[in-house]
Amino acid sequence: EVQLLESGGGLVQPGGSLRLSCAASGFTFSSYAMTWVRQAPGKGLEWVSDITSSGGRTYYADAVKGRFTISRDNSKSTLFLQMNSLRDEDTAVYYCAKEDNSGNIKWFDPWGQGTLVTVSS
Amino acid sequence: SYELTQPLSMSVALGQTARITCGGNNIGSKSVHWYQQRPGQAPVLVIYRDSNRPSGIPERFSGSNSGNTATLTVSRAQAGDEADYYCQVWDSNSWVFGGGTKLTVL
Repeated sequence: EVQLLESGGGLVQPGGSLRLSCAASGFTFSSYAMTWVRQAPGKGLEWVSDITSSGGRTYYADAVKGRFTISRDNSKSTLFLQMNSLRDEDTAVYYCAKEDNSGNIKWFDPWGQGTLVTVSS
Repeated sequence: SYELTQPLSMSVALGQTARITCGGNNIGSKSVHWYQQRPGQAPVLVIYRDSNRPSGIPERFSGSNSGNTATLTVSRAQAGDEADYYCQVWDSNSWVFGGGTKLTVL
């Protein structure tokens, strides 16, 4: 069974940093692209960042570009999101998800349970 | 940037059919995926590549995509289908989600 377990969330002051982790199991982690998606309280889903299976290419939403860094350790089946210069508007539940695919078409399945990041003074 | 438009909410009577739309410029040329999110839970994939159901998703869920509108159809609606539903596409090296539709089963 594929499992994704996020950790590292918590309360941080504006301007601070936080590093999220997503431990994967039940599949060959190094063969799949991975992604981070967030959801602010009472709001919809917002894509944050993507990383290819090898880690060679990364993509970011404009809202986090230059502040967040996605990375992965394929030897430990773990995905990371380094978040710097955090703002109030970064407050959200952060989900990691595996990118399943058919050819060059991808989708997110499954998702982890999420970790809450609260940015507040 | 590409935008996806969904109705904020809709309701369906128990046992009836709900059709949730997702509008986007020439969305028919893209692959659309749909996610269900029950209250307090993580999203779950219910339709991928316009009309494909993952294993474990009931046949009551179906999808279509043409022109400027993609549609998620929930047939014979059950109380457990009450949730938020999001459409998603990939455009210009970026993932785009619709704003979400809250489906209420009456």
